[in-house]
Amino acid sequence: GQNIDQPTEMTATEGAIVQINCTYQTSGFNGLFWYQQHAGEAPTFLSYNVLDGLEEKGRFSSFLSRSKGYSYLLLKELQMKDSASYLCAVRDSNYQLIWGAGTKLIIKP
Amino acid sequence: ETGVTQTPRHLVMGMTNKKSLKCEQHLGHNAMYWYKQSAKKPLELMFVYNFKEQTENNSVPSRFSPECPNSSHLFLHLHTLQPEDSALYLCASSQDGGGAVDTQYFGPGTRLTVL
Repeated sequence: GQNIDQPTEMTATEGAIVQINCTYQTSGFNGLFWYQQHAGEAPTFLSYNVLDGLEEKGRFSSFLSRSKGYSYLLLKELQMKDSASYLCAVRDSNYQLIWGAGTKLIIKP
Repeated sequence: ETGVTQTPRHLVMGMTNKKSLKCEQHLGHNAMYWYKQSAKKPLELMFVYNFKEQTENNSVPSRFSPECPNSSHLFLHLHTLQPEDSALYLCASSQDGGGAVDTQYFGPGTRLTVL
């Protein structure tokens, strides 16, 4: 079966750096997405990786290793507003999105 | 209005009620999706419409009935639901529903409680 694994919950301190990992086993690979979802709100698109390496967007970066079936989302200079759930999703060979259960990130002052 | 909107935001219904969820997208997209989101579980894809045609039905019980009258509007008709159907129902849209880079944009969801 297809599977996306990410930690259920993480805690970090305001101003620090946090890395949220995502590992996947899917039938084929056509890209990996990261979304942010604040409680009670819509998931919002953060990043897309299809080639190995690091994609940087301001305070957020996303890394992909296709050979290892692994990605991470790196958040720098954490702010209280970064408290949210972070969803990892992989597009498989049928172009279906397979979703992880999400990582709830708690930021403490 | 911009983006993807959903109404109502909250809905409480009994098991014998009939209700409908509405989704509207203002992005000019051609594909629309219904997802179910339960606590601590991955998003479950329910239905996909591409250019108003249903292209995906992931073994969803018949008590959920989708309708897509045009590329901008999507409905989910609910009938004789069960308490385990209580969840957040998310609507999403994307440009063409098939490309590798095709990014989905979500509405805020309808929080459904079935008593």
